[in-house]
Amino acid sequence: DARVTQTPRHKVTEMGQEVTMRCQPILGHNTVFWYRQTMMQGLELLAYFRNRAPLDDSGMPKDRFSAEMPDATLATLKIQPSEPRDSAVYFCASGFLPDGTSGGAAKTQYFGPGTRLLVL
Amino acid sequence: GQQLNQSPQSMFIQEGEDVSMNCTSSSIFNTWLWYKQEPGEGPVLLIALYKAGELTSNGRLTAQFGITRKDSFLNISASIPSDVGIYFCAGPTYNYGQNFVFGPGTRLSVLP
Repeated sequence: DARVTQTPRHKVTEMGQEVTMRCQPILGHNTVFWYRQTMMQGLELLAYFRNRAPLDDSGMPKDRFSAEMPDATLATLKIQPSEPRDSAVYFCASGFLPDGTSGGAAKTQYFGPGTRLLVL
Repeated sequence: GQQLNQSPQSMFIQEGEDVSMNCTSSSIFNTWLWYKQEPGEGPVLLIALYKAGELTSNGRLTAQFGITRKDSFLNISASIPSDVGIYFCAGPTYNYGQNFVFGPGTRLSVLP
């Protein structure tokens, strides 16, 4: 049963500390998405990778957030320095978009269980 | 940018009742996805729709892709307590990022 895995599941940290969240996409998937979920804003897209290349990170605060894919099996989302307003659940999702496909996003996305972040 | 609206925002129903919820957009979508999120978990894909007018079922769930391509509907028949959760609709945007936009969700509570 292939699943997206995320670590850690929970993180409590103090304002100003660096936070690193990790995601292992489903094997064979070539798109990875990072979302943030809050009660007020719902699910917001932060970053989107295809074949490990960042395609869209317009939803991410550039001054403190960074997203990378060191290899096809690992995606990371870092916050440095963290602030209380960053408290949220961060989800990673993966999907598959065939190479050469023009237009249209991955037909489906499969979500991980999320990382619950609390910044004090 | 494109936004999705879902109604109702929340609903309380008795076990055994049927449920209907919908999702609307001001823009045309060519794919509609319906997800369910349970407490403490990530959204789980329920149904994907790819063609206007398409009607697709998954067990007690049935979803339809609206003819106008600006809406979609999800029905749950004979609800059970494990249907509790938040139901999200989603669709791909065609901004340069080609990402998905999610609706705000419909929170379903099933009373025994």
